[in-house]
Amino acid sequence: DQQVKQNSPSLSVQEGRISILNCDYTNSMFDYFLWYKKYPAEGPTFLISISSIKDKNEDGRFTVFLNKSAKHLSLHIVPSQPGDSAVYFCAASEVYSGGGADGLTFGKGTHLIIQP
Amino acid sequence: DSGVTQTPKHLITATGQRVTLRCSPRSGDLSVYWYQQSLDQGLQFLIHYYNGEERAKGNILERFSAQQFPDLHSELNLSSLELGDSALYFCASSVARQGSYGYTFGSGTRLTVV
Repeated sequence: DQQVKQNSPSLSVQEGRISILNCDYTNSMFDYFLWYKKYPAEGPTFLISISSIKDKNEDGRFTVFLNKSAKHLSLHIVPSQPGDSAVYFCAASEVYSGGGADGLTFGKGTHLIIQP
Repeated sequence: DSGVTQTPKHLITATGQRVTLRCSPRSGDLSVYWYQQSLDQGLQFLIHYYNGEERAKGNILERFSAQQFPDLHSELNLSSLELGDSALYFCASSVARQGSYGYTFGSGTRLTVV
């Protein structure tokens, strides 16, 4: 049973436009969410995170939105740049419930392709 | 360079064999996590060690085992290898006992079982 779902395996966006990557989760105990970015032949690198006490967190061109009632989060990248082409993983954890020993539960990833 | 070192980068071996993957965490990090990424799959948590002790197990097969040594490097041992064990194996480290806030990944070991 997949607790973190990224239903779009790939997404193609024109350079300069907004990229929106979506993620859904089923475990209501998740209270901390992260996005990781992965280039080929490299490990995932941390991009941005959000706690369940917030509904938005912004860092430069990257904004993560959290809708707890819908158990949905999204990552917005604006404007999209060629270097943003990568696989993006959504991940979730239980920080306040103390279940953090297991670390993070990841989605399968979305391959973002930025077209010139 | 993330500071997490994994060796080897690539490994090709035959079914039934045994291999050892090595991970050196970032300086100062006490936690080491192992993940498996198979084709078209997300990262599947295998096991977590903190300061030499096993903290949590995920979907790790009985044929797989791991340990963390006093110098904090960790090894993942995979035995009786099957074709389905072909995957990317990532190690990650963090300073915290729990990984809830995320951690730093190495660049992975690509294992191919033929």
